[in-house]
Amino acid sequence: KAGVTQTPRYLIKTRGQQVTLSCSPISGHRSVSWYQQTPGQGLQFLFEYFSETQRNKGNFPGRFSGRQFSNSRSEMNVSTLELGDSALYLCASSTRLEYQETQYFGPGTRLLVL
Amino acid sequence: GDSVTQMEGPVTLSEEAFLTINCTYTATGYPSLFWYVQYPGEGLQLLLKATKADDKGSNKGFEATYRKETTSFHLEKGSVQVSDSAVYFCALTVDNYGQNFVFGPGTRLSVLP
Repeated sequence: KAGVTQTPRYLIKTRGQQVTLSCSPISGHRSVSWYQQTPGQGLQFLFEYFSETQRNKGNFPGRFSGRQFSNSRSEMNVSTLELGDSALYLCASSTRLEYQETQYFGPGTRLLVL
Repeated sequence: GDSVTQMEGPVTLSEEAFLTINCTYTATGYPSLFWYVQYPGEGLQLLLKATKADDKGSNKGFEATYRKETTSFHLEKGSVQVSDSAVYFCALTVDNYGQNFVFGPGTRLSVLP
């Protein structure tokens, strides 16, 4: 079974631009969660989508948004990029059928904001 | 709120040495506990998990026991290899469906030949 895939793997943007990242979950997984990983803050939860609806949200500004499509693929958008948005963005998928089940992570998209 | 604390790294060991990475947690509910590993340039991979008190998770020679009385989930391995060099994250979730994981800061392990 193919794992979680994320595209692109690397991105370079400038301040003020916007960016869209994509995540394809494991086949059969309908829940997709997004995390931001930085050296200073570690891994922080951004939000979770299930059945095309946002179910949980972390403590990030409204510049960070996402959506999920009917095939469970998810996109994350960051508008008006800031230098501090430079990070590794990870998505994780699960079935959301089991109690406190494991999340499976993709390789991440590394975003550099100049 | 929920939180995970891990021992500060980096940890540098010689091959075949014994490894312990400490992890303690605070949680509002009854969490499931996880150890994830991140190899250079890659995403996180599940190493092991435990869902209730006194459960022992194990995988690839790594072990961790869910200790509710001490709110701990320490990772151990009897004999590390160079290929174990990576960053190790302790994590928990209290959500019913585990969607909001709380991670520790990570501990970087370097194993020297």
